Amino acid sequence: DTAVSQTPKYLVTQMGNDKSIKCEQNLGHDTMYWYKQDSKKFLKIMFSYNNKELIINETVPNRFSPKSPDKAHLNLHINSLELGDSAVYFCASTLRRGTEAFFGQGTRLTVV
Amino acid sequence: GENVEQHPSTLSVQEGDSAVIKCTYSDSASNYFPWYKQELGKGPQLIIDIRSNVGEKKDQRIAVTLNKTAKHFSLHITETQPEDSAVYFCAASRGYGGSQGNLIFGKGTKLSVKP
Repeated sequence: DTAVSQTPKYLVTQMGNDKSIKCEQNLGHDTMYWYKQDSKKFLKIMFSYNNKELIINETVPNRFSPKSPDKAHLNLHINSLELGDSAVYFCASTLRRGTEAFFGQGTRLTVV
Repeated sequence: GENVEQHPSTLSVQEGDSAVIKCTYSDSASNYFPWYKQELGKGPQLIIDIRSNVGEKKDQRIAVTLNKTAKHFSLHITETQPEDSAVYFCAASRGYGGSQGNLIFGKGTKLSVKP
């Protein structure tokens, strides 16, 4: 069983569309994250979330919103997609903050 | 907030040689320092980590050293093999709640091991 799984693996969409990426972890972890990896491989945190607090990186546009239906899932919704949103998005989870992070395989988003 | 600098951005070595990647961090309260390996088309995977109460940790061909005074830590890979070729990331965290508990990553080092 994959510890952190995200779908889809590839997503190609037009500018202005709204899309979602799903993430699920079966590790029983408390905290989940979304990271954005740009073309230069830089990993930048977007959100971290547990059942007590959502922490948003101040540089993330409010077109991006995380939604957690339960402790094992943290989905990423993106409204009004722009060309600059093209990147690989990684979901991750940790038992608690400051411990080993387990990453999904990534979703390559291409906005055309 | 925390800032992590990583050098070099690319590193090419001959098979069997050693590789060293260095990182510096800015937040003296950071106490957790993991290293991740990312292979092409995959997510980053932890290879070794160290906490601030330890100066060095070793796992087979991989070792990490930490200098808290200078706020830098390094990854050492000995007897490199072609399968070590990947992008390596260092990271730092305060290890507790709030945004300071989030992992902040360096910009990565692309390691190429030539047969």
